[in-house]
Amino acid sequence: KNEVEQSPQNLTAQEGEFITINCSYSVGISALHWLQQHPGGGIVSLFMLSSGKKKHGRLIATINIQEKHSSLHITASHPRDSAVYICAVVYSGGGADGLTFGKGTHLIIQP
Amino acid sequence: NAGVTQTPKFRVLKTGQSMTLLCAQDMNHEYMYWYRQDPGMGLRLIHYSVGEGTTAKGEVPDGYNVSRLKKQNFLLGLESAAPSQTSVYFCASSYRTSRETQYFGPGTRLLVL
Repeated sequence: KNEVEQSPQNLTAQEGEFITINCSYSVGISALHWLQQHPGGGIVSLFMLSSGKKKHGRLIATINIQEKHSSLHITASHPRDSAVYICAVVYSGGGADGLTFGKGTHLIIQP
Repeated sequence: NAGVTQTPKFRVLKTGQSMTLLCAQDMNHEYMYWYRQDPGMGLRLIHYSVGEGTTAKGEVPDGYNVSRLKKQNFLLGLESAAPSQTSVYFCASSYRTSRETQYFGPGTRLLVL
């Protein structure tokens, strides 16, 4: 079975800390998404990556295709960053054309 | 521009009852998806559509049917609800492929007793 593994599952940090969330997958992909799920349940797309690195404000996402690994970084973390962060991949080749998701990383930023 | 909307927001069903969840998008997207989210399982793909009149099975399609009669609407049906279908259901859409940004609806919370 194709797996998407995220670490850590839970992370509590102090405001201002640099945060890293990791995602690894088992087979070739054509794209990787990072999503944010707010405490109220809504899901927002943060990044879509197929190679390299992307930056949006305090968020940075990187992907290493050869190592089958991606990271999401948050600089100068703030309590409003508290949410569940979800990695999802689109596998190469045939099969379902939707996303396969990791189980998420529950992030809490304390003031 | 409402984005992706879902109807209803919450529903309680008895085992064996049927219902339809409606997803609508006003962004002229070709691709639409239905996911379910369960504690400890993460999100999983139920069915998806790559355009009007098309549907395809995802990871967990059993017990569900879908239809895409109009480009802007994607319906998810439960013909005979079971307690195992208690979940939060999310609809999403993307412009032309699943390699593009997906826009999610607010979710429908379904409880099957």
